[in-house]
Amino acid sequence: QKEVEQNSGPLSVPEGAIASLNCTYSDRGSQSFFWYRQYSGKSPELIMSIYSNGDKEDGRFTAQLNKASQYVSLLIRDSQPSDSATYLCAVNEGGGSYIPTFGRGTSLIVHP
Amino acid sequence: GAVVSQHPSWVICKSGTSVKIECRSLDFQATTMFWYRQFPKQSLMLMATSNEGSKATYEQGVEKDKFLINHASLTLSTLTVTSAHPEDSSFYICSARTSSTDTQYFGPGTRLTVL
Repeated sequence: QKEVEQNSGPLSVPEGAIASLNCTYSDRGSQSFFWYRQYSGKSPELIMSIYSNGDKEDGRFTAQLNKASQYVSLLIRDSQPSDSATYLCAVNEGGGSYIPTFGRGTSLIVHP
Repeated sequence: GAVVSQHPSWVICKSGTSVKIECRSLDFQATTMFWYRQFPKQSLMLMATSNEGSKATYEQGVEKDKFLINHASLTLSTLTVTSAHPEDSSFYICSARTSSTDTQYFGPGTRLTVL
């Protein structure tokens, strides 16, 4: 059974700090990786996707993928209180399968 | 781009009635749509996957006769909760993807309360 593991948190960081969110996955054949943000009472919204080993940057967000170690992480620089949310990691097996496996999410709290 | 809408955003119904939730992809054709359910402070739970023109594929433990899914066009999928009961009260979220990408885009969700 494919598993995606995330620390449920909460992860608490001060405003302006770097928040580091981690995710590990069990299926070594996974090819696509996604980070979603979900505010309380709202649906998930896509932050970014990553497909290749290394870093991918988009504004204050950086996704890091290491397929050999089977982990993907999300760094949020200059964290703001508005970043306080649950961050979901999703992993696709690829190869024609488009049904992702979601982690349970990490709750992030950015305090002023 | 990649906007997904859901209607209604919230609904309250009496036990035993049926409720239909619509999911639309507004600016792209969705070859596949997904239906999720999320209880308070719980993770997303995939209920079913539907491809346009085909029968939906339900996850284990999800009653297909209770949760009817129709994906009649490339921009519309519906979920009907039949004979709803209070335990069906939840946040129902759809998502959609195109044939050219494996990225899912989520709708805003529908909060169902069954009295």
